[in-house]
Amino acid sequence: DTAVSQTPKYLVTQMGNDKSIKCEQNLGHDTMYWYKQDSKKFLKIMFSYNNKELIINETVPNRFSPKSPDKAHLNLHINSLELGDSAVYFCASSQDTRTGELFFGEGSRLTVL
Amino acid sequence: GNSVTQMEGPVTLSEEAFLTINCTYTATGYPSLFWYVQYPGEGLQLLLKATKADDKGSNKGFEATYRKETTSFHLEKGSVQVSDSAVYFCALRRNNNNDMRFGAGTRLTVKP
Repeated sequence: DTAVSQTPKYLVTQMGNDKSIKCEQNLGHDTMYWYKQDSKKFLKIMFSYNNKELIINETVPNRFSPKSPDKAHLNLHINSLELGDSAVYFCASSQDTRTGELFFGEGSRLTVL
Repeated sequence: GNSVTQMEGPVTLSEEAFLTINCTYTATGYPSLFWYVQYPGEGLQLLLKATKADDKGSNKGFEATYRKETTSFHLEKGSVQVSDSAVYFCALRRNNNNDMRFGAGTRLTVKP
């Protein structure tokens, strides 16, 4: 069983389109995250939710909208895709907001043409 | 603010060579420190961690010691293998603080 799973693994789309990436964790964790990894492998946190509540919202364009229907799921919707959105997006979870490691999904590679 | 600085790569070593990847941090309070590894095409996996000063994390032959006096958490392995080729990330998480901060990553290539 995959602990943190995200779909799709690959996304290729045109500029201006809207796309979503889904994430699910079966670890019973309270906290979930979205990170963006650029082509140089730099990891930047985008959002964090704890028990469906948004607790971190870094400086990210409004075109990115996270949604957490329950604490096991955190989806990322991106409107009006731009070339610069091309990256690998990682979902992660942790037991809570305070301590401990993050568990990562395998990533979703988004390519905007 | 909290931040992590790790040595720039890429690092290329021959099999069985000794590995050191330097990592230093800036943080208020007493953070937990982590090393993650990312194999090609995969997500990040926790390699080892340490939660307080002088703790040593170890896994798969890798070690790192939490040094408060030098604010460092250097990763070492005595004898690397081709299968260790990956990108390694140092990270910190302040206790009672939500987000985890990552270093820029160091790409390691081990040649046979």
